[in-house]
Amino acid sequence: DAKTTQPPSMDCAEGRAANLPCNHSTISGNEYVYWYRQIHSQGPQYIIHGLKNNETNEMASLIITEDRKSSTLILPHATLRDTAVYYCIVRVFNNAGNMLTFGGGTRLMVKP
Amino acid sequence: EPEVTQTPSHQVTQMGQEVILRCVPISNHLYFYWYRQILGQKVEFLVSFYNNEISEKSEIFDDQFSVERPDGSNFTLKIRSTKLEDSAMYFCASSDPGSIFQETQYFGPGTRLLVL
Repeated sequence: DAKTTQPPSMDCAEGRAANLPCNHSTISGNEYVYWYRQIHSQGPQYIIHGLKNNETNEMASLIITEDRKSSTLILPHATLRDTAVYYCIVRVFNNAGNMLTFGGGTRLMVKP
Repeated sequence: EPEVTQTPSHQVTQMGQEVILRCVPISNHLYFYWYRQILGQKVEFLVSFYNNEISEKSEIFDDQFSVERPDGSNFTLKIRSTKLEDSAMYFCASSDPGSIFQETQYFGPGTRLLVL
């Protein structure tokens, strides 16, 4: 699976959009971008994933650049409960049974 | 909403003792996983399990570890002779490759294991 690079930490004001970047310049054509988050030692929580088109669900939006070498997770109206470590993970499509490789992630602090 | 559950939430054991960590995956899921996270470190993959056999395992998953699906609902991780360095949070996850989410793994809340 391709390696990802994320900033170690970010701050965001409550109610504002949080934009979390991820670089995955070595991504292959069959690799998806997945985002998970971990709130204070709880189990990682799935957020969203995508291949090349932008994706949106009830939690977040995922913007993937046209060359697929980077992506941005957007939390449109961050709340204090969104304070967590956010992980960007690249893995092969439908590679069921294979591991998720977690990096250091981005520690997002949402401030009042 | 279905979720992965794990028991116990906390376990304290003496070095050398055997422990069994239990997980109940989401009911229609077919793939099961164990991960661990040592305090302050990254989440690390241990093992994946499908159709009553191990699909993949990491270097961490040595002979001290074993997994089992003893019945239709539980998935267990056994550590035969615990070591101090086994102290960690252990997360179970499950996935359904047939879902529209293209094999998304859903994690349980974890079991915090402390080896003394």
